[in-house]
Amino acid sequence: DIQMTQSPSSLSASVGDRVTITCRASERVSTYLNWYQQKPGKAPKLLIYDASSLQSGVPPRFSASGSGTDFTLTISSLQPEDFATFYCQQTYSYPFTFGQGTKLDIK
Amino acid sequence: QLQLQESGPGLVKPSETLSLTCSVSGVSISSSSYYWGWVRQPPREGLEWIGRVYHSGSTSYNPSLKSRVTISIDTSSSQFSLKLDFVTASDTAVYYCARHDYSSGVTTFDHWGQGILVTVSS
Repeated sequence: DIQMTQSPSSLSASVGDRVTITCRASERVSTYLNWYQQKPGKAPKLLIYDASSLQSGVPPRFSASGSGTDFTLTISSLQPEDFATFYCQQTYSYPFTFGQGTKLDIK
Repeated sequence: QLQLQESGPGLVKPSETLSLTCSVSGVSISSSSYYWGWVRQPPREGLEWIGRVYHSGSTSYNPSLKSRVTISIDTSSSQFSLKLDFVTASDTAVYYCARHDYSSGVTTFDHWGQGILVTVSS
């Protein structure tokens, strides 16, 4: 299985801050990398697909990049509704695997 | 508007079979662009992909669960189902159904049900 490792596991930030979350794959996954946001008690929501493509309806303050094994998700200016847990996911090979999550909370 | 809705028992006894159904509305479950799958999340933990099914009945499973899991589809009723045999307490989780969209070339889980908590306990 391809292991996905996110860093940091948790992060405290303030409204207006710029934050970056990193995801590393144990093998190359090309750009078969997605990012999801999950709020407490809710299903995950797709934010980014194909490593850098913004899902329809997702605000442009979210951006992402990467290829191969190293990927980043950036939020340019945190809004109150952005505080949540973020997961990366590879769909390059079976079984599809997720990172362990990065919990972003308010400082 | 696409909607997915999980249903099934919220409590299952150890060694028994967990059975869940996902009802799909707003899109044809027989569309060639989509698979239909299951993801679970134990309390306070991360996400684990369980497996997926195509409208033809073709399946793919996570090897960690493959010996115990069956995913099937009923296109006539626009539903797909999950069965997990011989459950233990470690199978306690919120179970989500999700559409797997590969129309962009990269598989994404673009629509999810709201999730159903299944507790394994006697």
